Amino acid sequence: DGGITQSPKYLFRKEGQNVTLSCEQNLNHDAMYWYRQDPGQGLRLIYYSQIVNDFQKGDIAEGYSVSREKKESFPLTVTSAQKNPTAFYLCASSILDRYGYTFGSGTRLTVV
Amino acid sequence: RKEVEQDPGPFNVPEGATVAFNCTYSNSASQSFFWYRQDCRKEPKLLMSVYSSGNEDGRFTAQLNRASQYISLLIRDSKLSDSATYLCVVKRDDKIIFGKGTRLHILP
Repeated sequence: DGGITQSPKYLFRKEGQNVTLSCEQNLNHDAMYWYRQDPGQGLRLIYYSQIVNDFQKGDIAEGYSVSREKKESFPLTVTSAQKNPTAFYLCASSILDRYGYTFGSGTRLTVV
Repeated sequence: RKEVEQDPGPFNVPEGATVAFNCTYSNSASQSFFWYRQDCRKEPKLLMSVYSSGNEDGRFTAQLNRASQYISLLIRDSKLSDSATYLCVVKRDDKIIFGKGTRLHILP
């Protein structure tokens, strides 16, 4: 079955460490997105990519980095520069120019 | 003013009742509108798109009012399983904006 897979489901990070969240899709979708959701808040866009080897900053890109070396994969690195990284991170994909978001099941990141 | 606004709720509604909630958007250039459902600690899932003429999917009816810049979701004969947060989503050009969601609790 086609879908979008995020891993790990839960991630604990020590302060000062970089961590990478995985997002893989086998839907042949062109576009991929990373969102952050805090309790009681809406989704905020971190980065998005519409084609391989290209990506754009979203509304809250500071402290994050991404790569898009393959169409299927869009990993997100949460760097030590991100001051408040504890949140629920959601990856999504869609067919370019057509709305049809498919979300992964999310990664809960906690700084300890 | 936020581009997409929703009443956060919670709406506490007895099972079997009808409930409706709205979402307002500020940019008249917004092109597409959607309702997503998000269960606690889960990812959002598309509930339905919202068309200008209004559309229905079983117990759910969505409406768009471009003049007043709001969309609505009506749920008839509510079930316990309808308890969730409902996110309003607005698309403008290549930008997609999520509302913060309205929490709905269906009471037995």
